Amino acid sequence: GEDVEQSLFLSVREGDSSVINCTYTDSSSTYLYWYKQEPGAGLQLLTYIFSNMDMKQDQRLTVLLNKKDKHLSLRIADTQTGDSAIYFCAERQNTGNQFYFGTGTSLTVIP
Amino acid sequence: GAVVSQHPSWVICKSGTSVKIECRSLDFQATTMFWYRQFPKQSLMLMATSNEGSKATYEQGVEKDKFLINHASLTLSTLTVTSAHPEDSSFYICSARERRQNTNNQPQHFGDGTRLSIL
Repeated sequence: GEDVEQSLFLSVREGDSSVINCTYTDSSSTYLYWYKQEPGAGLQLLTYIFSNMDMKQDQRLTVLLNKKDKHLSLRIADTQTGDSAIYFCAERQNTGNQFYFGTGTSLTVIP
Repeated sequence: GAVVSQHPSWVICKSGTSVKIECRSLDFQATTMFWYRQFPKQSLMLMATSNEGSKATYEQGVEKDKFLINHASLTLSTLTVTSAHPEDSSFYICSARERRQNTNNQPQHFGDGTRLSIL
């Protein structure tokens, strides 16, 4: 499968911004997604970006895509304690069904 | 938004028992559903792709006779763990692909997962 890498842990103080990074290897990726997983639960789709876009903003979430470097990031503004969770990036090719998930980043928000 | 219901959420049973997990798309039709397995503090591992009306496609290393998948309708896929043993204990998550008109964006929507514990 494709390699999708994330740093494992991130800690931020409440009210600060969080930036979660993701790198991938497949240059034919068409859609890239961010999912949130709270303890003992499934994955919740947060946002996505199409590969011909550089940036997408959705309320407190900003997604940046550097296609040349195959680097994706998720910025959470004004991080709250409820944002503590594991965040997965995922990429999908246009022609395939399969999603390739990153290793997940565990975000801890310190009050 | 699109909702996927997974049932049961938690199962504890004896070794040798077969366990069935259901995955339903509640407000959209899903011709393709996916079954994942997740170990503690790890990412999702795709086990198989379930296609409505046809046989599932299993990933390498996943025993199809052990993990039986049935996708009998556009809104329901089931995973049966046959003769479960303690090493099958894990968190199993299903997802359903939402087909959208006039776009290639077809996100996966996930169930809340089933925690399977085999004694």
